Amino acid sequence: GQQVMQIPQYQHVQEGEDFTTYCNSSTTLSNIQWYKQRPGGHPVFLIQLVKSGEVKKQKRLTFQFGEAKKNSSLHITATQTTDVGTYFCAGQTDQAGTALIFGKGTTLSVSS
Amino acid sequence: DTEVTQTPKHLVMGMTNKKSLKCEQHMGHRAMYWYKQKAKKPPELMFVYSYEKLSINESVPSRFSPECPNSSLLNLHLHALQPEDSALYLCASTPTGGSSYNEQFFGPGTRLTVL
Repeated sequence: GQQVMQIPQYQHVQEGEDFTTYCNSSTTLSNIQWYKQRPGGHPVFLIQLVKSGEVKKQKRLTFQFGEAKKNSSLHITATQTTDVGTYFCAGQTDQAGTALIFGKGTTLSVSS
Repeated sequence: DTEVTQTPKHLVMGMTNKKSLKCEQHMGHRAMYWYKQKAKKPPELMFVYSYEKLSINESVPSRFSPECPNSSLLNLHLHALQPEDSALYLCASTPTGGSSYNEQFFGPGTRLTVL
């Protein structure tokens, strides 16, 4: 079936260091979305990427969608303790309609 | 109102109980979803309602029974659950019910424990 692989599973950084999580799909995606889930919380939408090669920035966060629309990354510059949580990528395909295919998530911990 | 609400926040039930989870949104969204999330795992899609009609059932056991009484409400009826059904149950909604690509608004979830 359709899968979205996400690495790493866990990442610990010192405050101020950069962080990147990567997603790779077995099939071409129509779009990819990123969500953040704080400990004890629920997933919160961060961004959606639709176009091949698209790059979007939100303050210290940079999101990329690959040229083949099969991979994506989220990069955080100069992490802060408020960045702690689990980051999920979630892809949609034309076949799956509105259903999201979630990656397993990357849990980020930050020490000050 | 830009949020999805879920009640109850926590639920403990025995294997012979019948209970219901409730989800509500007043954003005019026409697609609503139930997800199950185990600890340290991503959300797993259970059901999708599009324009109040069940459009996706991801082979969920019949002890879970969804219901969409109107465009703002989504229920999940639970009966004869197993301990392995203990999880966080998340409701989500999106603006349109078709295959448009929209962000999903998640509710805070109901943390269910089955004894």
